[in-house]
Amino acid sequence: KNQVEQSPQSLIILEGKNCTLQCNYTVSPFSNLRWYKQDTGRGPVSLTIMTFSENTKSNGRYTATLDADTKQSSLHITASQLSDSASYICVVSVETTDSWGKLQFGAGTQVVVTP
Amino acid sequence: KAGVTQTPRYLIKTRGQQVTLSCSPISGHRSVSWYQQTPGQGLQFLFEYFSETQRNKGNFPGRFSGRQFSNSRSEMNVSTLELGDSALYLCASSPTDLAGAYNEQFFGPGTRLTVL
Repeated sequence: KNQVEQSPQSLIILEGKNCTLQCNYTVSPFSNLRWYKQDTGRGPVSLTIMTFSENTKSNGRYTATLDADTKQSSLHITASQLSDSASYICVVSVETTDSWGKLQFGAGTQVVVTP
Repeated sequence: KAGVTQTPRYLIKTRGQQVTLSCSPISGHRSVSWYQQTPGQGLQFLFEYFSETQRNKGNFPGRFSGRQFSNSRSEMNVSTLELGDSALYLCASSPTDLAGAYNEQFFGPGTRLTVL
């Protein structure tokens, strides 16, 4: 069973509107949580990285929140643009961070921004 | 600084053939990881190399193998291709093998492999 679940699987939003993506995880012990953006035909690009002690982190119009107690994270996109159309992937790292192989990937949320 | 490069970008093979994919990490990066990405499974870890040593391996059959050279460039090989091997293969590099919160991994554009 995947230890990182993302919802919704996909969503369509109008340009200029806001949206929020969800990530629930069961990874334990937990070290850090990352959000990646992956454009079609490209590799993922890091948006934010948060440790268990951080509640929120922003990168431009992207704001990630983390509740380590409930094991939930969200990614909020403000004033969406057409270039925000992409897959957004939540990645959780176990406490022992001695290998990139211990990252747990969510399946991603596909976001489509329409004019 | 140039990013992670992968070659080829697209590849079409038939069942039973073998394939070799190449990854050149960002200059100075010694860690290279490989991932398989499919629509149904998302990103799945294949293996990780650091300074020419395989540090970790994912849950894939022995048909999947890799290596890293002294200049940190890496190759992965898939033998006896199956239809289910059709996927986007991503390579990522990092200056360190530690996946802590202050370290980043940079992905290449991927190689799209289609097995017919």
